[in-house]
Amino acid sequence: GENVEQHPSTLSVQEGDSAVIKCTYSDSASNYFPWYKQELGKGPQLIIDIRSNVGEKKDQRIAVTLNKTAKHFSLHITETQPEDSAVYFCAASTWGGGADGLTFGKGTHLIIQP
Amino acid sequence: NAGVTQTPKFRVLKTGQSMTLLCAQDMNHEYMYWYRQDPGMGLRLIHYSVGEGTTAKGEVPDGYNVSRLKKQNFLLGLESAAPSQTSVYFCASSYRRTEAFFGQGTRLTVV
Repeated sequence: GENVEQHPSTLSVQEGDSAVIKCTYSDSASNYFPWYKQELGKGPQLIIDIRSNVGEKKDQRIAVTLNKTAKHFSLHITETQPEDSAVYFCAASTWGGGADGLTFGKGTHLIIQP
Repeated sequence: NAGVTQTPKFRVLKTGQSMTLLCAQDMNHEYMYWYRQDPGMGLRLIHYSVGEGTTAKGEVPDGYNVSRLKKQNFLLGLESAAPSQTSVYFCASSYRRTEAFFGQGTRLTVV
């Protein structure tokens, strides 16, 4: 089955700086890669996703890049703000076939220092 | 617009007791999922359903059963709770394999 590795487990950055979280996956059939943000006491919420036919996707201050050859994808947050503090999860799944459900990384606790 | 609603939000069980967690979604989604979240482990898929009347095993199904008698509801059952099932449980739904919407979670403690 799919295995998703996520690094780092904790990331502390100064407010206004950029943050990068990296994930690798094992199943070459995976073609859908979402990122979720989880605030304390809440369920995960999708913030951005990318499919394998695209190398990069942006939405305001966040962006995701995908390298299918190397089987890794990354989340980039620019101009970080205090409300970006949360746990971020990457995930992978197969679109249109194979096992259903998302395989998640173990999460990154992002801390924005004032 | 409720989205995905889980009940209860908190529960304490004694070892060997049984309980059912209820998940309800009002988005007419075909797919529903149950995950468990443990510290340092991310979210792991327990069972899922691709439509009313269907269920399938995920990564960690042992000790759990599920039922999807109605499209909007997905029930997770623990027949004989064990301390290893202490966790936060999340239900999610999606329209086929698009964005998954998560509920607020159920914090279960088995003593």
